[in-house]
Amino acid sequence: DIQMTQSPSSLSASVGDRVTITCRASQRISSYLNWYQQKPGKAPKLLIYAASSLQSGVPSRFSGSGSGTDFTLTISSLQPEDFATYYCQQSYSTPLTFGGGTRVDIK
Amino acid sequence: EAQLVESGGGVVRPGGSLRLSCAASGFTFDDYGMSWVRQAPGKGLEWVSGINWNGGTTGYADSVNGRFTISRDNAKNSLYLQMNSLRAEDTALYYCASSSGSYYKLGYFDYWGQGTLVTVSS
Repeated sequence: DIQMTQSPSSLSASVGDRVTITCRASQRISSYLNWYQQKPGKAPKLLIYAASSLQSGVPSRFSGSGSGTDFTLTISSLQPEDFATYYCQQSYSTPLTFGGGTRVDIK
Repeated sequence: EAQLVESGGGVVRPGGSLRLSCAASGFTFDDYGMSWVRQAPGKGLEWVSGINWNGGTTGYADSVNGRFTISRDNAKNSLYLQMNSLRAEDTALYYCASSSGSYYKLGYFDYWGQGTLVTVSS
């Protein structure tokens, strides 16, 4: 199975900050990497697919990069509605696996 | 707009069975692969099972293989998860999610339901 490791597991940031979350795969997965946002009591929401493609309707302050084993989700200017937990997920092989999540809360 | 609505969750004793359903609307259900993803209380996301557009290929996480069975009825726009031999560690919110293509292994989960809660407890 491919293990997905996110770092940090949590972070505190202020509105307007630039935030970077890292996801590392235990083996090369090309660009088969997706990012989701989950708010408390809600279903996950797709943000980025194929490592760097922005899902329709998602604000442009979200961006993704990377390939192979190392990937990054960046929020260029954190907004109040961005406080949530973020998950990466690989779709390179089954079983499909998620990272452990990164909780972003208010400093 | 696509909508997925899960049902069938509840409280069940260890060793018991439960069948979850997911009703799909707003998109051409039989064009897309589907999956079940679960989230234990306070924990992260875990993919449980997936099925291709025509039901011909399925896959399972090791943690449920041999106990859970995924199926679909394209005529009813519905996805199912039969869960047998349930354990305490199966307690979770179960989401159904659609894949971006016909094969559940590929792409990404673009639509999610609101989830149905399964509690396994004596």
